[in-house]
Amino acid sequence: DAGVIQSPRHEVTEMGQEVTLRCKPISGHNSLFWYRQTMMRGLELLIYFNNNVPIDDSGMPEDRFSAKMPNASFSTLKIQPSEPRDSAVYFCASSFSGLLNEQFFGPGTRLTVL
Amino acid sequence: KQEVTQIPAALSVPEGENLVLNCSFTDSAIYNLQWFRQDPGKGLTSLLLIQSSQREQTSGRLNASLDKSSGRSTLYIAASQPGDSATYLCAVEGAQKLVFGQGTRLTINP
Repeated sequence: DAGVIQSPRHEVTEMGQEVTLRCKPISGHNSLFWYRQTMMRGLELLIYFNNNVPIDDSGMPEDRFSAKMPNASFSTLKIQPSEPRDSAVYFCASSFSGLLNEQFFGPGTRLTVL
Repeated sequence: KQEVTQIPAALSVPEGENLVLNCSFTDSAIYNLQWFRQDPGKGLTSLLLIQSSQREQTSGRLNASLDKSSGRSTLYIAASQPGDSATYLCAVEGAQKLVFGQGTRLTINP
C-alpha cells in the first residue's frame, strides 16, 4: 500500500484565494483526520470523519474552513478565502475504526499564504 | 481541557547513549497514548501505542511506559544512533480527540 497520499505537497497562494487540499486514505481504513501543524500551536486536530461522516469538527478554526469526504477514498479540506495566518503544514491521517487505533499520517501539505 | 507537555524541548546526546524522553498529561481519563517520530519536512510515523490498560510497550530499541494515575509516559531509547535524530511527539486520546505535545527535538551526535 502506498500509505496516505496528500496533494499538493506545497502550495503558495495569495491572500483571498481559495485553497483545496486533497487526501487519499489507506485502503480499508474507515476513519480520516485532518490536522494542522504550526510552530506556535503544534499539531491540532481540525476534523475527523468516520465512515465518510464528519464526527467532530470542533477544531475547525472558522467558517472559512470546510472539509468533505464524498467517498471512502477521498477527502478535501478547503479554505476560502485564505489568509496569511492559515500558513501551516496540513496533515491527513487515517485509521481503522477511529481514534482507538493507530493513525497513519500522510506527508503533509505545506501551505503558504502571502 | 487535556494538555500534553513534553520535556525537554530539545536534547542532544552522543551516539550510543541510552536516553529518556518525557511526556505528561493533565487528564488521566485517556484511552491510549501514542509516541510518534517526525523527520524534518515529513509526516508522522507511529512508533508505539499503549492502551490505557497497559503499562508499557516495546519495539526494538524503544520502550514506552504509561502511568495513567500520575499522568506520565516515558519513551526510552537504548543505544542511540544518529538515525534516531528526529522530533518525537507523544499524543493522548480521550473524548474523541488526539491531543499532541509540542515534541522533543532529539539530536544524536556521531
